[in-house]
Amino acid sequence: RKEVEQDPGPFNVPEGATVAFNCTYSNSASQSFFWYRQDCRKEPKLLMSVYSSGNEDGRFTAQLNRASQYISLLIRDSKLSDSATYLCVVYSGGGADGLTFGKGTHLIIQP
Amino acid sequence: GAVVSQHPSWVICKSGTSVKIECRSLDFQATTMFWYRQFPKQSLMLMATSNEGSKATYEQGVEKDKFLINHASLTLSTLTVTSAHPEDSSFYICSARKTSGGATDTQYFGPGTRLTVL
Repeated sequence: RKEVEQDPGPFNVPEGATVAFNCTYSNSASQSFFWYRQDCRKEPKLLMSVYSSGNEDGRFTAQLNRASQYISLLIRDSKLSDSATYLCVVYSGGGADGLTFGKGTHLIIQP
Repeated sequence: GAVVSQHPSWVICKSGTSVKIECRSLDFQATTMFWYRQFPKQSLMLMATSNEGSKATYEQGVEKDKFLINHASLTLSTLTVTSAHPEDSSFYICSARKTSGGATDTQYFGPGTRLTVL
């Protein structure tokens, strides 16, 4: 079983629509969760951390369900500039361990 | 946010040559840096953890003699791909951990280095 799983998409969504995607993780001891955004041929950039109580940043809402081991990202009023690959990232601690990345969900916002 | 640079941003080399990639944290000190590799349409895969002043920790399946890592200072880590072959062609990304003293330290990514081995 893969450590972090995401639906690769692509999700084709009209501008202005609301889109949501989920991510599941296998390590129940995972400590921290993030959504990163990666544009084509660029490095990942932190979009937002995901907190147990859920958190919102403008049009973006992230939720964490520890019992079911999944994380969600909701984008409201989508913009053309939201087109990118969204990476679900999990940190499982253990000192110097890095982050575990999902393969990403490709989102295409259509005019 | 903090800034991490990588150099070069892209490199094309002949098979059998060695390529060095530099990763620098520009405005903070990083005792820990990470090297990732990403093949097309794949996720980032952690290759190794670079610790300042000590040996790097390699992930399973990553050859330490082929991917040499040196973390000589708190702001610089280098990855040398020795005797590169076409299958080493990939997007190499480093990240540096900025210690905030809180529960979660933030990793900042460099812009990546695209390596093409002919």
